Amino acid sequence: NAGVTQTPKFQVLKTGQSMTLQCAQDMNHNSMYWYRQDPGMGLRLIYYSASEGTTDKGEVPNGYNVSRLNKREFSLRLESAAPSQTSVYFCASPGQSNYGYTFGSGTRLTVV
Amino acid sequence: GNSVTQMEGPVTLSEEAFLTINCTYTATGYPSLFWYVQYPGEGLQLLLKATKADDKGSNKGFEATYRKETTSFHLEKGSVQVSDSAVYFCALSTYFGNEKLTFGTGTRLTIIP
Repeated sequence: NAGVTQTPKFQVLKTGQSMTLQCAQDMNHNSMYWYRQDPGMGLRLIYYSASEGTTDKGEVPNGYNVSRLNKREFSLRLESAAPSQTSVYFCASPGQSNYGYTFGSGTRLTVV
Repeated sequence: GNSVTQMEGPVTLSEEAFLTINCTYTATGYPSLFWYVQYPGEGLQLLLKATKADDKGSNKGFEATYRKETTSFHLEKGSVQVSDSAVYFCALSTYFGNEKLTFGTGTRLTIIP
């Protein structure tokens, strides 16, 4: 089925460890987005990529880096994880804004 | 900048009750408005949308009308079911050259039999 695939689904890290969250979409969309979801705060944009080869900061980019590897893949990297990065992370890819987004199923990350 | 203000939750209703979840927005330009739903353990799914003033979005018995004069997009359903229990997010995007979605904080809805 067409959509957005995220890996892993769950991860526990120790403070200071690094990891990369993977996202791939098979809808041939130009744009891809990374959001984090925290209780009482909704979804906040971390980084986005409007097209292959471009990336831009969102609302809460500190502590993260991204790579738009090709049109399909957009990865999110935590270089040195902190407890404040405990969250659920969602990758999304929109068509045109009239059609809304397709979201991945999320990565639940806990940093201890 | 853009912002979305959503009714604080959680909301608990009995089955077959009438549902309203309030949403108001602030935006430059002419935004498109959305309601997303998140079932437990899943990602967000688009529930309905409206792209211009007075448009009514509808899906699965849910409705919301784009009210430019009150900058609102309230979600309603006439008779809720247990299966409607989920978190609901109001969101907007400004159409011209900017597809980024701005989300409200979400409203958790629980329906009891």
